[in-house]
Amino acid sequence: GEDVEQSLFLSVREGDSSVINCTYTDSSSTYLYWYKQEPGAGLQLLTYIFSNMDMKQDQRLTVLLNKKDKHLSLRIADTQTGDSAIYFCAERGNTDKLIFGTGTRLQVFP
Amino acid sequence: KAGVTQTPRYLIKTRGQQVTLSCSPISGHRSVSWYQQTPGQGLQFLFEYFSETQRNKGNFPGRFSGRQFSNSRSEMNVSTLELGDSALYLCASSLVGLAGQETQYFGPGTRLLVL
Repeated sequence: GEDVEQSLFLSVREGDSSVINCTYTDSSSTYLYWYKQEPGAGLQLLTYIFSNMDMKQDQRLTVLLNKKDKHLSLRIADTQTGDSAIYFCAERGNTDKLIFGTGTRLQVFP
Repeated sequence: KAGVTQTPRYLIKTRGQQVTLSCSPISGHRSVSWYQQTPGQGLQFLFEYFSETQRNKGNFPGRFSGRQFSNSRSEMNVSTLELGDSALYLCASSLVGLAGQETQYFGPGTRLLVL
């Protein structure tokens, strides 16, 4: 079945780049998404990438997709304390359901 | 444009009771999806409605049901509540873009505690 995995925790220093990784199993994924969840809040869509793209850049965010290895990453440049949150990757595959990863808790320290 | 709204935001129920949660999508969005978020299971898809029809369903027991009204507002119902139903229930509305991508926007969630 479909499965999406992420590392649980990432800690970076303010100003550095953060890279959050995600792997998925569904080779028929059409769109892949990154969401951010702050404490007590819903999910905020950060960015998405179509499966025929390798890279997408949106201001401080860069998404890289390696479709062969089914690997997705989110790079946040110049990470700020306000970026501290849980980041979820999600894929939409042939079942048309959105399948979420386990989430990566990003902690940014000064 | 107003975002996705969910009511109530917080709810406490006891085992065996039933609960109804409401979601109002972004104006113009016709698709509404529901998710359950728990520390143990993470984010799990419940169901999706489009134009008052259930389009997709996750792997949840029949105690979980939903519906969508003609104005795209959606409700989900959980009957015979169990302790394990304690969770954050998230609703998302979506719109299909010109390129065919479907982008989901989430509400703040309803936090349900079952005692």
